[in-house]
Amino acid sequence: AQTVTQSQPEMSVQEAETVTLSCTYDTSESDYYLFWYKQPPSRQMILVIRQEAYKQQNATENRFSVNFQKAAKSFSLKISDSQLGDAAMYFCAYRGLTDSWGKLQFGAGTQVVVTP
Amino acid sequence: KAGVTQTPRYLIKTRGQQVTLSCSPISGHRSVSWYQQTPGQGLQFLFEYFSETQRNKGNFPGRFSGRQFSNSRSEMNVSTLELGDSALYLCASSQGQGGQETQYFGPGTRLLVL
Repeated sequence: AQTVTQSQPEMSVQEAETVTLSCTYDTSESDYYLFWYKQPPSRQMILVIRQEAYKQQNATENRFSVNFQKAAKSFSLKISDSQLGDAAMYFCAYRGLTDSWGKLQFGAGTQVVVTP
Repeated sequence: KAGVTQTPRYLIKTRGQQVTLSCSPISGHRSVSWYQQTPGQGLQFLFEYFSETQRNKGNFPGRFSGRQFSNSRSEMNVSTLELGDSALYLCASSQGQGGQETQYFGPGTRLLVL
């Protein structure tokens, strides 16, 4: 079974600074998909960024970028130029190809606190 | 396009009762997944429906069930409620093609069991 580990319960960052969130996963599959979701206080889950395992190039979405290390099974998220609106719980999620219909495997989450 | 909607948003029940939660997916989406979110267990996958058929199921007891209608709207039912069923229940919709496609989440239904 796949597991997703986020070892940082909380990270604090000042506005305009950069913060990196860690995520590691365990899988025996060679092809899969990885996602970062954001859950603000409203509890609405919002997709931040996604990465296909077969792509070596790291995904980027505006101020959000990932560092995907397939051999190390690591998928970290970097938030650049942090804004107050980035404050939220961030979840790393895995989706495999076997037994995967509709199923995302989530990590425990990292709470990001943004200070002025 | 309207987003994923869930009703009701809040619900209070007592132990032993049953509850039905509803989820309307984004127009054109045929897959609906359900998740339970609790402080202790985090986000856990319940089940997924596509074209009125359950394609996948998580590790939950049979008290948790669901169904999907021909218009892709989905309901989940929890019978004989237990205190531990108190949680935020999230549904997510997608086109149903698997792989990298994004799941779009609704705002959730917060269930409190007393």
